[in-house]
Amino acid sequence: EAQVTQNPRYLITVTGKKLTVTCSQNMNHEYMSWYRQDPGLGLRQIYYSMNVEVTDKGDVPEGYKVSRKEKRNFPLILESPSPNQTSLYFCASSVGFTGELFFGEGSRLTVL
Amino acid sequence: AQSVTQLGSHVSVSEGALVLLRCNYSSSVPPYLFWYVQYPNQGLQLLLKYTSAATLVKGINGFEAEFKKSETSFHLTKPSAHMSDAAEYFCAVTSSGGSYIPTFGRGTSLIVHP
Repeated sequence: EAQVTQNPRYLITVTGKKLTVTCSQNMNHEYMSWYRQDPGLGLRQIYYSMNVEVTDKGDVPEGYKVSRKEKRNFPLILESPSPNQTSLYFCASSVGFTGELFFGEGSRLTVL
Repeated sequence: AQSVTQLGSHVSVSEGALVLLRCNYSSSVPPYLFWYVQYPNQGLQLLLKYTSAATLVKGINGFEAEFKKSETSFHLTKPSAHMSDAAEYFCAVTSSGGSYIPTFGRGTSLIVHP
């Protein structure tokens, strides 16, 4: 089954404690991306990757890091989480700009 | 540059009534347009997409959208709302200029009353 898998789905952490949200896709897609969803703000792109070892900033990259060492994986790293990073995070992949985005089920992160 | 505006953060309809969710876009090159739906506690999934073929696009669950270049619009419609249509709907645009970066609207929450 074609899918994008994110883990963990739910996480409560404390300010400053590094965490990683993993994302994996099994569709051999070149394009992957991370979004955060906040009430009233819709989806905002954090980082995206057009292929292995190629990443770039989206609209709200501050406080986040990513890496793309393999085509299927695109982890999101919060080196020192802060309460304003409390949000619902989505990973997505696509075959290209004309193709649909396939989304993971989301990771709800709370930073205390 | 590209952008998307969804008019109305909430739309409320009665079951059986017409659903109309509005989306206007701006793009300096021919756009590719998408509607996604997000059910509670789930990720987004594609409803339909326009990629320069037919201007009237039919999607899943009885939804359709019409691309109107003169109005820069891509409104989503469904003739008869069902309770199961209650969800958040997002319009998105990418451009044929080569960017892989889709831009999303802020979303419209569809509320369906019995």
